Order: sequence, then structure tokens, then C-alpha cells
Amino acid sequence: NAGVMQNPRHLVRRRGQEARLRCSPMKGHSHVYWYRQLPEEGLKFMVYLQKENIIDESGMPKERFSAEFPKEGPSILRIQQVVRGDSAAYFCASSRTRPSSYNEQFFGPGTRLTVL
Amino acid sequence: SQKIEQNSEALNIQEGKTATLTCNYTNYSPAYLQWYRQDPGRGPVFLLLIRENEKEKRKERLKVTFDTTLKQSLFHITASQPADSATYLCALADETDKLIFGTGTRLQVFP
Repeated sequence: NAGVMQNPRHLVRRRGQEARLRCSPMKGHSHVYWYRQLPEEGLKFMVYLQKENIIDESGMPKERFSAEFPKEGPSILRIQQVVRGDSAAYFCASSRTRPSSYNEQFFGPGTRLTVL
Repeated sequence: SQKIEQNSEALNIQEGKTATLTCNYTNYSPAYLQWYRQDPGRGPVFLLLIRENEKEKRKERLKVTFDTTLKQSLFHITASQPADSATYLCALADETDKLIFGTGTRLQVFP
């Protein structure tokens, strides 16, 4: 039973380009979360999605960032017109049910984005 | 403002001793709290969850306490081993059940 998969593991982009990060949740999981981790900082929640729906995007920057979780295929975090400050590790997590005290999140290995 | 604090300084202990990590929070009333382990270059791995009505939870060499009066959780690793060296993150659930993470404490267990 494969865990959460993310690709690419490393992504290098020049300023102004688009970055597209993919996340395949664990089998049977329909809830996906995206987090960003800056060096020496904690994980920061970005967005929570359920199949085809954005449930909570309170942690997403208002501009340039978007996320989707289509009916078929992986969840995508898209960053348009990247800037150096976007350089970070982006983690995806999934859970079987909605967040609750009976629920743990399983994390992927992360995508390390470097903006030149 | 809401805040979660973990000791940012690394904790260095000798193999066989008990490691105790602290997580303090302010202006939250979490229904539950979780602890994760993160190794360099990897994603966090879930370890334990403790609910607000539970004082203590154990799993093998791990023990977590949750004091909602002190607004503090303690994470203990007994009989620590070099393989326990990692960064340990606490995370609490806010009112929407969204996980809010602390910055983590790096534990180094030396032989």
C-alpha cells in the first residue's frame, strides 16, 4: 500500500515561471492538505481539499497560488509567476476522513522548490 | 495572538536516558494534539494523538501528556537511542480542526 506520493521531489524554476506540484494521496483517502515549510520554520497550513472541492484555503496567499483535487488524478498545487520567496519545501498530506480527533494525517516526502 | 512554542534549541541527551520535549500554546483551546517526527529531507511521520479529556497516552517507549490548564504537552522518549535523533513537531487542532504546527525541537541522542 503505497504512501502519499509527491512529484517532483525537487523543482527549480526561474523567477516568473510557473511551478506545478503534484500529490497522490494514499489509497482510500479523499482528503488532501498542502503545507509549506520554510527553513527553520514550522509547517504552515495552506489549503485543505476534498475531491473536487476546496474546503479551507485560509492559508493560501491570495495571489498566484491555486490548488485543485480533481475527481480523477492527483491534487495539484500551482504557483504562477514564482518569486524567490516561494522557495520552500511543500508537503502534501492525506487522511481517510475529515479532520477530527480520530484522524491522523499521512505526509508525503515533499517537493523542494528552488526559485533562481 | 495565537502561538505554539517548542524549544528551538536542540536537545542533546545520552543514549539510555529519557528525552522530554515541551510544547506550550497560548490562545488556543484544542480538542486534541498530535506529535510527529521529521527526519531531514523527509515528511513528518505521525506518532501519537492525545485528546483534551486524556491526561496521558503511551505507545511503546513514547509517552505524551496533555495539561489543558497549563496549556502544555510533554513528549517523553524513554530509553532513548541514537535512532531517535530527529526533529519532533507538535501540532494542535484549531476550532476548524485545522492542524497548527510548532517549529519543532531537534533531538540528538549520542552514544
